[in-house]
Amino acid sequence: QLVLTQSPSASASLGASVKLTCTLSSGHSSYAIAWHQQQPEKGPRYLMKIKSDGSHSKGDGIPDRFSGSSSGAERYLTISSLQSEDEADYYCQTWGTGIRVFGGGTKLTVL
Amino acid sequence: EVQLVESGGGLIQPGGSLRLSCAASGFTVSSNHMSWVRQAPGEGLEWVSVIYSGGSIYYADSVKGRFTISRDKSKNTLYLQMNSLRAEDTAVYYCARESLVRGDIAGMDVWGQGTTVTVSS
Repeated sequence: QLVLTQSPSASASLGASVKLTCTLSSGHSSYAIAWHQQQPEKGPRYLMKIKSDGSHSKGDGIPDRFSGSSSGAERYLTISSLQSEDEADYYCQTWGTGIRVFGGGTKLTVL
Repeated sequence: EVQLVESGGGLIQPGGSLRLSCAASGFTVSSNHMSWVRQAPGEGLEWVSVIYSGGSIYYADSVKGRFTISRDKSKNTLYLQMNSLRAEDTAVYYCARESLVRGDIAGMDVWGQGTTVTVSS
């Protein structure tokens, strides 16, 4: 079964960096994923797609502070130089034939 | 400008029906995969249904047999017909584009602002 696992929460200080993790279920380590940001009271916003080889392609207008990487079944979103507006929920998402799956989301707090 | 605008949400009694619309601009709906995603109050994102560019359709188990996804090429609009609505269908419903880059899915790269569906007596 295709499942994505995320930690429920993360925190980091203003100006610092944070690395969020999304883990693919067993047998699905070759899958690409996408990261989405949802700021409070707003709809989701596409950040980037990350492939199993670590290559990533970002959405239009996504700052260079956002980057992605991959290792085995884990896909990462790194946000550097944290700003207050980065405080949001971050969801990873993947897909297969006839199925789309979201992780449970990570709530990022900027201290 | 690439944009998706949902409409059609509202308050509906259990067992009722509702049709959501998602009007696209700046791109062609039928040339992309298109999904509906929902978010119950205080919860995470839940995928509902997808229609592929080639016309194949898939649903989450939670809505199979009750919801129907469709598209109108002339209106460049995506729809979600929701029947036999339940309290647990209460959510904000988003439509999203899944771009195809050389046949490879890029992810849900454009989202609408959402429309709220409340199922309650």
